[in-house]
Amino acid sequence: QQPVQSPQAVILREGEDAVINCSSSKALYSVHWYRQKHGEAPVFLMILLKGGEQKGHEKISASFNEKKQQSSLYLTASQLSYSGTYFCGTDITGGSYIPTFGRGTSLIVHP
Amino acid sequence: NAGVTQTPKFRVLKTGQSMTLLCAQDMNHEYMYWYRQDPGMGLRLIHYSVGEGTTAKGEVPDGYNVSRLKKQNFLLGLESAAPSQTSVYFCASSSLSGGNTQYFGPGTRLTVL
Repeated sequence: QQPVQSPQAVILREGEDAVINCSSSKALYSVHWYRQKHGEAPVFLMILLKGGEQKGHEKISASFNEKKQQSSLYLTASQLSYSGTYFCGTDITGGSYIPTFGRGTSLIVHP
Repeated sequence: NAGVTQTPKFRVLKTGQSMTLLCAQDMNHEYMYWYRQDPGMGLRLIHYSVGEGTTAKGEVPDGYNVSRLKKQNFLLGLESAAPSQTSVYFCASSSLSGGNTQYFGPGTRLTVL
């Protein structure tokens, strides 16, 4: 089942923060986050495994709440290069990773 | 390392024509996937393969067939193209030992008239 991402779109100015959420109706084994720039392929950002661990990559971090069956992506002090569409991919099978992607969240960062 | 490559990059077909999209990866990954991406729909899984000689259906398999005769190649076939198959097609590969991080190809933009 496709995870639900919110919000659908975010418009920011450089330096502002944003949070993108990814919710599932089923228990999650792992959550992957990807970013896709216009006309390009999705690029991997990070993976979170069940256990509630938080991961970070420069000013982009994510959390995974196993109980709530959701993950959140945090972008702090946004840069112009953060613009793009963010997708979460969820795995409910465990071990055999066959992901289901959300519909994406469009992030636009203005100067 | 070329990573994941896709052939062709663009293609225009007429309804009823057939074609094959080729995906190749040089990372020795076990898993390979075919997705289609339509505006507002995200990435939807068409077929996937967990190893050479094995394939399985994904979320939207109707109208497509796949084959994985060699570990590095994953072919997606359209036997009789329909306008509803107009989309951008992405291939991806992953490895269990690599945490199943998916590496995507550059995509194929297909238009069916």
